[in-house]
Amino acid sequence: AQKVTQAQTEISVVEKEDVTLDCVYETRDTTYYLFWYKQPPSGELVFLIRRNSFDEQNEISGRYSWNFQKSTSSFNFTITASQVVDSAVYFCALRASGSSNTGKLIFGQGTTLQVKP
Amino acid sequence: DAMVIQNPRYQVTQFGKPVTLSCSQTLNHNVMYWYQQKSSQAPKLLFHYYDKDFNNEADTPDNFQSRRPNTSFCFLDIRSPGLGDAAMYLCATSRALAGVDTQYFGPGTRLTVL
Repeated sequence: AQKVTQAQTEISVVEKEDVTLDCVYETRDTTYYLFWYKQPPSGELVFLIRRNSFDEQNEISGRYSWNFQKSTSSFNFTITASQVVDSAVYFCALRASGSSNTGKLIFGQGTTLQVKP
Repeated sequence: DAMVIQNPRYQVTQFGKPVTLSCSQTLNHNVMYWYQQKSSQAPKLLFHYYDKDFNNEADTPDNFQSRRPNTSFCFLDIRSPGLGDAAMYLCATSRALAGVDTQYFGPGTRLTVL
């Protein structure tokens, strides 16, 4: 079975604070892919990052950084110096490679981030 | 800019009245997906097209159908909408190459059923 858990339902921070969104996944597959998406109030899911299971290198993109740790099955997302525009629902998702290179994403329940001015 | 477009953004229909939602893309992607997202929930895949091949999820109700007349367009048909079908419907596209694809989403259509 595959599962993604985002234990934090809602997080509220004040602008300029750092915030980490947790993501824990379960899969029996040795090859899999992890994703983060942002869903602002407008509703569109915006792709942020994709990470392959064989690449544990952490990544930084501007104020965003991701910490992938296979040993703890976690793929956490940190926003440094948060801004009001970061307010959104953030989804972590999992895809196993399986026999097809297409198919559904297994989403976590999402974390609602509110950044107050 | 290349993008995924969904029309309309908001759709109101009556209980039992068929409705069609539209998705188009300028990304020239060969895979198109339809997800249903209910309030405060994660998106749930209904089905997807890999080129012309239709792939239905096992738990997608028969009430939901899809058509893909060409590479650029994909439609979601709800034959007899019920109150429980009120949701955001998200279209996504991807280019399936070696390895797993990355899905890019449109802005969604919010469906209200009266």
